[in-house]
Amino acid sequence: EAQVTQNPRYLITVTGKKLTVTCSQNMNHEYMSWYRQDPGLGLRQIYYSMNVEVTDKGDVPEGYKVSRKEKRNFPLILESPSPNQTSLYFCASRLGNPTDTQYFGPGTRLTVL
Amino acid sequence: QKEVEQDPGPLSVPEGAIVSLNCTYSNSAFQYFMWYRQYSRKGPELLMYTYSSGNKEDGRFTAQVDKSSKYISLFIRDSQPSDSATYLCAMTRGSNYKLTFGKGTLLTVNP
Repeated sequence: EAQVTQNPRYLITVTGKKLTVTCSQNMNHEYMSWYRQDPGLGLRQIYYSMNVEVTDKGDVPEGYKVSRKEKRNFPLILESPSPNQTSLYFCASRLGNPTDTQYFGPGTRLTVL
Repeated sequence: QKEVEQDPGPLSVPEGAIVSLNCTYSNSAFQYFMWYRQYSRKGPELLMYTYSSGNKEDGRFTAQVDKSSKYISLFIRDSQPSDSATYLCAMTRGSNYKLTFGKGTLLTVNP
């Protein structure tokens, strides 16, 4: 089954404790990205990757890191989480063109205390 | 001025109504325009896309882009309760550029 998986689905942590949210896709997609969704602010892109070892900033990259060492994985790293990073995070992937169907993961609900 | 503006609603209509959802944008470099639908507690799913200006129809859904006015629309004909969701517009310059979403419009179709 074609899918994007994220782990963990729910996470409560404390300020400053480094964490990684994993994302994996099994569709051999070139393009992967991370979004955060907040009430009243909508869906905002954090980082995206056009292919292995190629990443670029989205609209809200501050406080986040990503890496793309393998085509299927695109982890999101919060080196020193802060309460303003409490949000719902989505990973997504698509083949390559903007009009290709973008598949979203189930979301990760992160709370930073 | 935000790059993409979308009225968050909420919008409530009776079953069978024609629904019009809209976004405006400020970046004239945007070339690809998309509409996503997001059900509660789920990730967004792509509904339709349009490249540059023009109309595109898919069943009960029609997407329109007017680049001269920097305005895009999604029309839903014969709306159904199953159409109740948040609808997000999204746009980008191309493959190697970021994707910018509107805030989404919450639609409820009442039986």
